[in-house]
Amino acid sequence: ETGVTQSPTHLIKTRGQQVTLRCSSQSGHNTVSWYQQALGQGPQFIFQYYREEENGRGNFPPRFSGLQFPNYSSELNVNALELDDSALYLCASRRRPGGLDNEQFFGPGTRLTVL
Amino acid sequence: DAKTTQPPSMDCAEGRAANLPCNHSTISGNEYVYWYRQIHSQGPQYIIHGLKNNETNEMASLIITEDRKSSTLILPHATLRDTAVYYCIVRAEYGNKLVFGAGTILRVKS
Repeated sequence: ETGVTQSPTHLIKTRGQQVTLRCSSQSGHNTVSWYQQALGQGPQFIFQYYREEENGRGNFPPRFSGLQFPNYSSELNVNALELDDSALYLCASRRRPGGLDNEQFFGPGTRLTVL
Repeated sequence: DAKTTQPPSMDCAEGRAANLPCNHSTISGNEYVYWYRQIHSQGPQYIIHGLKNNETNEMASLIITEDRKSSTLILPHATLRDTAVYYCIVRAEYGNKLVFGAGTILRVKS
């Protein structure tokens, strides 16, 4: 069983640029969530995707957007990067959007640095 | 989702039980208590969850008070590899997100 994978592992961008982060969900999982984790803080929910549509969103501006593909993999896109976007971006997958015995499995994350 | 309160850090001797407390006084009837941990530079890892009964799995035990306003995660024989940030999270059964606080930094020392 392949776990959640993310790419790239590290990324450096400059303010104003755009970035795309990628996530492959665990086998058998059709729901993907993205989280942002600033240094020294807990992860913050960005949004969840199910059946290729956004299925819940946290308190993040529209310049944070995502996609989910038919194979359930996902992308996180961030436009007009700001210095505060520097963080660890975590992807998590699960078998379905909600319910019990349906835990989220996290990937190792992508470390984004905005200069 | 109800908020949780955890101590910022705890120390535990290797081989001893680690008892991590969590307060969730505003928990509602349909909300579950979840525990995750995050080892340095890795993604969070699910540990255990429960509603009102005590739960045990191969990783840990979860003790929830009768009024459900607090809980304790127990690692029965802590090892150095258990050093991590432990997050206590309250979530409704069909909630689509995890709301993480700052967690408790557990340091297991030899």
